[in-house]
Amino acid sequence: QQQVKQSPQSLIVQKGGISIINCAYENTAFDYFPWYQQFPGKGPALLIAIRPDVSEKKEGRFTISFNKSAKQFSLHIMDSQPGDSATYFCAASRAGNNRKLIWGLGTSLAVNP
Amino acid sequence: ETGVTQTPRHLVMGMTNKKSLKCEQHLGHNAMYWYKQSAKKPLELMFVYNFKEQTENNSVPSRFSPECPNSSHLFLHLHTLQPEDSALYLCASSSLDTDTQYFGPGTRLTVL
Repeated sequence: QQQVKQSPQSLIVQKGGISIINCAYENTAFDYFPWYQQFPGKGPALLIAIRPDVSEKKEGRFTISFNKSAKQFSLHIMDSQPGDSATYFCAASRAGNNRKLIWGLGTSLAVNP
Repeated sequence: ETGVTQTPRHLVMGMTNKKSLKCEQHLGHNAMYWYKQSAKKPLELMFVYNFKEQTENNSVPSRFSPECPNSSHLFLHLHTLQPEDSALYLCASSSLDTDTQYFGPGTRLTVL
């Protein structure tokens, strides 16, 4: 049973466009929702994270939108650049469970010049 | 060295070999993790160590044997592996008072 469902599996965006990746979760006890970015040959690195007490968090060109009632959260990359081409993973965790992250399947993003 | 380092970066082994993966974190963290990353699958958490004590074993086959001699070092001992064990093995660390996990670059393992 996949507790965090991520879509799309792959995404192609033109330079300067907006990239949008969506995740849906099932466990209402989740209270931490990070997005990780992974380049080839590297491990995942935290990009941005949100907690359910806010509906949006923005860091530079990256924004997380969070909809608690729909149990969905999304990553928006504004003004997408070729250097943003990577695989993006959403995840979720809850307190008191070793802070175990439950991961989405990942989205391979390609930004064309 | 900074962050989380892993050695070797690539490993090819036969099913009868014994090898070990090494992870070292230079971040002063007290929790360390082993993950398996395979294509078309979510990252699979294998083991968690907090202050050198194993706190999570996600039903990992006994052919994978972790060792955590101190909070900075983590090993994964491999023996009698199967071809389906071929994957990228990632080590991560975190501080117990934050949620962020910091990953190493991984070891690309191929089992022949």
